[in-house]
Amino acid sequence: SQQGEEDPQALSIQEGENATMNCSYKTSINNLQWYRQNSGRGLVHLILIRSNEREKHSGRLRVTLDTSKKSSSLLITASRAADTASYFCATAYTNAGKSTFGDGTTLTVKP
Amino acid sequence: EAQVTQNPRYLITVTGKKLTVTCSQNMNHEYMSWYRQDPGLGLRQIYYSMNVEVTDKGDVPEGYKVSRKEKRNFPLILESPSPNQTSLYFCASSPYPRTGEAFFGQGTRLTVV
Repeated sequence: SQQGEEDPQALSIQEGENATMNCSYKTSINNLQWYRQNSGRGLVHLILIRSNEREKHSGRLRVTLDTSKKSSSLLITASRAADTASYFCATAYTNAGKSTFGDGTTLTVKP
Repeated sequence: EAQVTQNPRYLITVTGKKLTVTCSQNMNHEYMSWYRQDPGLGLRQIYYSMNVEVTDKGDVPEGYKVSRKEKRNFPLILESPSPNQTSLYFCASSPYPRTGEAFFGQGTRLTVV
């Protein structure tokens, strides 16, 4: 199975609500990254959190990392219809070039 | 403009006919990687390269080859494509996987019939 697993697989909310997505992983990591993908297009990097960080903010995005639980969460506040996309977490392993993506969470924000 | 360029964007080919998908980045990144994306399976890493002349297998390398003769280019080669290689392929580059974000190309949708 993949290193990163997102939860939930799909999320549907109304504009203005907050959206929370979770990611779990299995082995030690250097950092964890969140990406966004609009349908069929390339991934766009959103935010990176290092293994020695616990929380990071970027605009309406808030990412937390709990290395003891091997989990991360992405919170999008005050969501907009334009936030509709798939969101993936990716882990970069310590001392290696491998990276693993989760299966993604598909977010739908209804206007 | 900083970018990762893949070509072609779309390709339909027949089983067994060798093909190459090109990937080029203009950011002088050391690290490059190939992924395939299939419905319900997320992105899976095929091969990656930490630097020129250094390549390593990812999670699903079977049926693929890569080369890294120069820093900017990282072509993906399918010597004898099969229908199970029908997928959406992405190339990505990064200053280094531990320190920076990855920049993705727009993808190559490959169909093998």
